[in-house]
This record gives sequence, structure tokens and C-alpha cells, in this order.
Amino acid sequence: LAKTTQPISMDSYEGQEVNITCSHNNIATNDYITWYQQFPSQGPRFIIQGYKTKVTNEVASLFIPADRKSSTLSLPRVSLSDTAVYYCLVGQTGANNLFFGTGTRLTVIP
Amino acid sequence: EAGVVQSPRYKIIEKKQPVAFWCNPISGHNTLYWYLQNLGQGPELLIRYENEEAVDDSQLPKDRFSAERLKGVDSTLKIQPAELGDSAVYLCASSFEGLAGDTQYFGPGTRLTVL
Repeated sequence: LAKTTQPISMDSYEGQEVNITCSHNNIATNDYITWYQQFPSQGPRFIIQGYKTKVTNEVASLFIPADRKSSTLSLPRVSLSDTAVYYCLVGQTGANNLFFGTGTRLTVIP
Repeated sequence: EAGVVQSPRYKIIEKKQPVAFWCNPISGHNTLYWYLQNLGQGPELLIRYENEEAVDDSQLPKDRFSAERLKGVDSTLKIQPAELGDSAVYLCASSFEGLAGDTQYFGPGTRLTVL
């Protein structure tokens, strides 16, 4: 079971870049790394997914080093609306080893 | 495109009463998941369906919980009888095939309060 370790909480000022690192030492060869965002009273929402190196989309970047034992979610120029819980998941969607953990609570300060 | 639909959004019942939650996944998604989320915790998988078949129900407390996905589309999760500890948010999610790399799309959840 490829569990993950993330910081429990982070604070950031508006406009700053935020980097949230996730450790996953037991990641398997065919595991993907996926990040979800969750606002209060809503279900988690997919942000980004990657397997190795770097992935970028319109909202975030995901950096994965060669050993894949960790990954970093990067949110450029955060705003107040980015205040949420961010979950790092490792596994294969559909397999029984998808584990959310407690996530990182990001608070963006004006 | 409509997202995952869940109903009801909120439910308050007394302990020992039955309760049911309904989920309509995104059209064309073959894989459906039910999760339980306790306050301050991440979602925990209860059961996963591939079409009509429950392929992973190892975390479902089968003494009081049951689920079905007739015709491989909508799904219902039932608790009978409910206990105080069942108070939580029940989330439904779906994905296209449930294969590696497939994204799970979540509904808004049903918040259950057992009194």
C-alpha cells in the first residue's frame, strides 16, 4: 500500500507561489501520482496527475524527481479562492490501493 | 456535461433507522465508487463497481451496509440500521474505465447525521 506523507497545513499570502511536497517512498513502478483539491461541502476535484518528470496544466505544475519517492505540487500566484485541502494520491485509479490520507490544508492570507 | 449527481445532500435520522443514498455517475463512466469521509479526514473507499459488478468491497461493513448498481448506471448505498458512528459525508465518484491514470470525478456528497 503506497501511502503518502504531506504537511498537515500551510499558510501563504495572496500572489505567492505555493509548493506542497508529498512523500511516497513505497511507490510502485506502475503507480501514478495524482493531486486533488477539496473545498468545504464539496467532493474532491482533480487538479493534476503525473508519472515522472514534470507536468503542467492551466492551474498547477507537478514535479516528480527521477526516483519518484516524492512529488511537489506547485500553485502559481495563489488567490484566496485556493484555500482548500489538497490531497496527494499514489496508485492506480480503480485499484484498491488508492489512499487519500489527511491532506494538506492550505490557507491563503490576504 | 453534467457531473456526478448525489441525493439527498443532507440527511438527519435517528439511530437504528435505515437510510439510503443515491448516485448518478457521469454518462459513459463504467466505474463507480462510494467513499466515506469523516470530519478532518480524507475519503476512504467503501466499494468500487465495474459496471454492475462490485469488484472491491473489502472496506464495506457488510453487517449493516449494502450497495447495488443495477443496470450498471445509478447506484444506491444503504445503511440499516444506522449507528451514531455512521455520521459522515458519503461521496460517490465515477471514472471512465477505472484503469491506471483514469481520473475520478466526485459528486458533492451526502452529509449524514445520526442522532
